[in-house]
Amino acid sequence: EPEVTQTPSHQVTQMGQEVILRCVPISNHLYFYWYRQILGQKVEFLVSFYNNEISEKSEIFDDQFSVERPDGSNFTLKIRSTKLEDSAMYFCASSFSTDGYTFGSGTRLTVV
Amino acid sequence: RKEVEQDPGPFNVPEGATVAFNCTYSNSASQSFFWYRQDCRKEPKLLMSVYSSGNEDGRFTAQLNRASQYISLLIRDSKLSDSATYLCVVFSGGYNKLIFGAGTRLAVHP
Repeated sequence: EPEVTQTPSHQVTQMGQEVILRCVPISNHLYFYWYRQILGQKVEFLVSFYNNEISEKSEIFDDQFSVERPDGSNFTLKIRSTKLEDSAMYFCASSFSTDGYTFGSGTRLTVV
Repeated sequence: RKEVEQDPGPFNVPEGATVAFNCTYSNSASQSFFWYRQDCRKEPKLLMSVYSSGNEDGRFTAQLNRASQYISLLIRDSKLSDSATYLCVVFSGGYNKLIFGAGTRLAVHP
């Protein structure tokens, strides 16, 4: 069964450092997303990406965040200057249409 | 009002029990509804879609009441492996954004 792959599974970074979280969506999917889940809280939408541009973003997705699909297969989330409150599980997902969302297994980001 | 609201639980039930989870959503224009299952520190996984006519998948039955903006999930004959957090999820339209509830935790004990 096709899957969404995320790397690394766990990233520890110092406050103020830049991090890049990587995702390889399912190859024929058209829509790509990042969600996050702070420990003990709900899964929250960050951003959706379609046709090589951001289609929607939440108020969480401020200027410190950016996304890119650099080579037609990878989909990355960059956090420019991490804060302690950025510590969370970050889930990448992709879908072909309105149904059929597939989530990756997540990257646990710990900011120290 | 929260966009998607669920009772956080936990629901502690013995094996074989029937358990029901409820969820309400605030946006009457919402189009699609789902139940996801999330195990500890893992990704959400689709359990089932929810339709107005109600739908069943083995021991799981989901119902949607659009007039009341209410979604339910019934699990019959609970198994130990059903222990997880159950997420009520609403598709908000636009570019396929999913809105998650905070989840209801289920613990099935022997």
